[in-house]
Amino acid sequence: GAVVSQHPSRVICKSGTSVKIECRSLDFQATTMFWYRQFPKQSLMLMATSNEGSKATYEQGVEKDKFLINHASLTLSTLTVTSAHPEDSSFYICSARKRGVNNEQFFGPGTRLTVL
Amino acid sequence: EDKVVQSPLSLVVHEGDTVTLNCSYEVTNFRSLLWYKQEKKAPTFLFMLTSSGIEKKSGRLSSILDKKELFSILNITATQTGDSAVYLCAVRPGGGSEKLVFGKGTKLTVNP
Repeated sequence: GAVVSQHPSRVICKSGTSVKIECRSLDFQATTMFWYRQFPKQSLMLMATSNEGSKATYEQGVEKDKFLINHASLTLSTLTVTSAHPEDSSFYICSARKRGVNNEQFFGPGTRLTVL
Repeated sequence: EDKVVQSPLSLVVHEGDTVTLNCSYEVTNFRSLLWYKQEKKAPTFLFMLTSSGIEKKSGRLSSILDKKELFSILNITATQTGDSAVYLCAVRPGGGSEKLVFGKGTKLTVNP
């Protein structure tokens, strides 16, 4: 199998606080994990690519100091939204790349972040 | 800028109907095109296409890629209410990155 979990599934926080979201590959090792954001009725937008043991690569327009990514092990990557504001409210989804013929990405169930 | 456009954005059909979902793309150094089904949460993988003209099938779903026209379709025959979901098309550009560029999706509603 190839199961990816995310925690928490939903979080509501006050403006100015920081929120950490975890992404775990449960039954495989993922050297690369991806973080996406999805606004209502919009497509999944890649925020950053996270490689185990190295700094994340951020997409254009994504603030690396605001969205801190840590990929400390082959099964865990974390995304921390620092000093969250209401405009950061979104659906955050991670995916993990499983090594194989197709290098397929498997998606987590997502985290719904609401910043009040 | 890499771009993926899906149409229609939404579609409502009755059980038993056949539907065709469209995906066009503009990317540098195309590597592959993927289709996903997203119900409430995580997208689940359906197909990956890399070569033109080769149809991939899985049950009632099938997909084909036209690399000359930069276009792919996803067909669902004899639709069922369980097919109701958002269908996402994504393209993997070349250049060594594993990133995916997604379209906005087609929301399919199958009514009984």
